[in-house]
Amino acid sequence: AQSVTQLGSHVSVSEGALVLLRCNYSSSVPPYLFWYVQYPNQGLQLLLKYTSAATLVKGINGFEAEFKKSETSFHLTKPSAHMSDAAEYFCAVSDQGEYGNKLVFGAGTILRVKS
Amino acid sequence: DTEVTQTPKHLVMGMTNKKSLKCEQHMGHRAMYWYKQKAKKPPELMFVYSYEKLSINESVPSRFSPECPNSSLLNLHLHALQPEDSALYLCASSPNPWASGVGETQYFGPGTRLLVL
Repeated sequence: AQSVTQLGSHVSVSEGALVLLRCNYSSSVPPYLFWYVQYPNQGLQLLLKYTSAATLVKGINGFEAEFKKSETSFHLTKPSAHMSDAAEYFCAVSDQGEYGNKLVFGAGTILRVKS
Repeated sequence: DTEVTQTPKHLVMGMTNKKSLKCEQHMGHRAMYWYKQKAKKPPELMFVYSYEKLSINESVPSRFSPECPNSSLLNLHLHALQPEDSALYLCASSPNPWASGVGETQYFGPGTRLLVL
């Protein structure tokens, strides 16, 4: 079964600084990878998705992620953090084993942006 | 329109109450999902419906009873819940049926915050 590991349950950056949220995957087949964001007391919103069409994936709100097969990573970045980026971020993989469209989520990373 | 709506936004119920959560999507999606999310945790899959039929039940206790009356609507009936069932309940949908939709984006609703007293 596929899985993802998010390194760092909390990340704190200053406004204007680089955002880097780490995600490593485990998959025996080319994976479908996702980043979702969850603002306080809200549902999950898709930031971006990797489907093997391109290794650098651009998403909404200035976020992007790069798929690196050699490192089994799919880290999320944003060049300049805004206060509005403060939220919880989940990396997820589509489990292609026994199940159909089952999402397996990482534990999540809470991003704090300091003014 | 990529919107999934859920009602109510908040729900407080006693352990002897019966209540229902409602989820609706008008994107023509054929798969719909219920997730449970405890505080500071990722969502956990509960149920999946494809073409209004239950495809997956992730060993959820029978006090949770899902229902899919039509292709746009998904309900979760609650009865005799326990305080540990307090959580955010999320609904999601994706375009194709469960088995053939591997890798498809799931679109989430805003959730219902449930408190069981």
